[in-house]
Amino acid sequence: DGGITQSPKYLFRKEGQNVTLSCEQNLNHDAMYWYRQDPGQGLRLIYYSQIVNDFQKGDIAEGYSVSREKKESFPLTVTSAQKNPTAFYLCASSTGPDDGYTFGSGTRLTVV
Amino acid sequence: KQEVTQIPAALSVPEGENLVLNCSFTDSAIYNLQWFRQDPGKGLTSLLLIQSSQREQTSGRLNASLDKSSGRSTLYIAASQPGDSATYLCAVKGGSGGYQKVTFGTGTKLQVIP
Repeated sequence: DGGITQSPKYLFRKEGQNVTLSCEQNLNHDAMYWYRQDPGQGLRLIYYSQIVNDFQKGDIAEGYSVSREKKESFPLTVTSAQKNPTAFYLCASSTGPDDGYTFGSGTRLTVV
Repeated sequence: KQEVTQIPAALSVPEGENLVLNCSFTDSAIYNLQWFRQDPGKGLTSLLLIQSSQREQTSGRLNASLDKSSGRSTLYIAASQPGDSATYLCAVKGGSGGYQKVTFGTGTKLQVIP
């Protein structure tokens, strides 16, 4: 079955450490997105990519980085510059402007 | 800037009741609107997608309507079941932020009591 796979499900980060969240899709979707979800807030866009080797900053890109070397993969790195990284991270994809989003199951990141 | 509001934030109903969840948006120049459900600790599952040219979409016990002129969408759930307990979010694509910009509401947490 087609879908989006996020890994790991849970991730713990020490202070000053960079961590990478994986997002893989087999839906043949061109566009991919990373969102952050905090309690009581709507989803906030971190980065998005509409085509391989191209990506744009979203509303809260500071302290995060991404790459899009393959159509299927859109990993997110949470760097030490992100001061409040504890959150639930969601990856999504879509085929184009007429299409809605398909989401992965999320990664919960906690700073220890 | 597009703003999306979902009221109430939480709702508790007895099993079998028909219910309506509301989603309001400030900029009517939208491209589409999507309803999702989210179970605790899980990702978002798409329920219905309504394009701007459509007035409603139906899937099983779910019916979503869209009124762009008034900036509102409703999700109607018929004969609610305990398995419907989840948080329901609406997402609006388009508005002043550009046609690709998607804005999410903060959700309505639904509890269906057996």
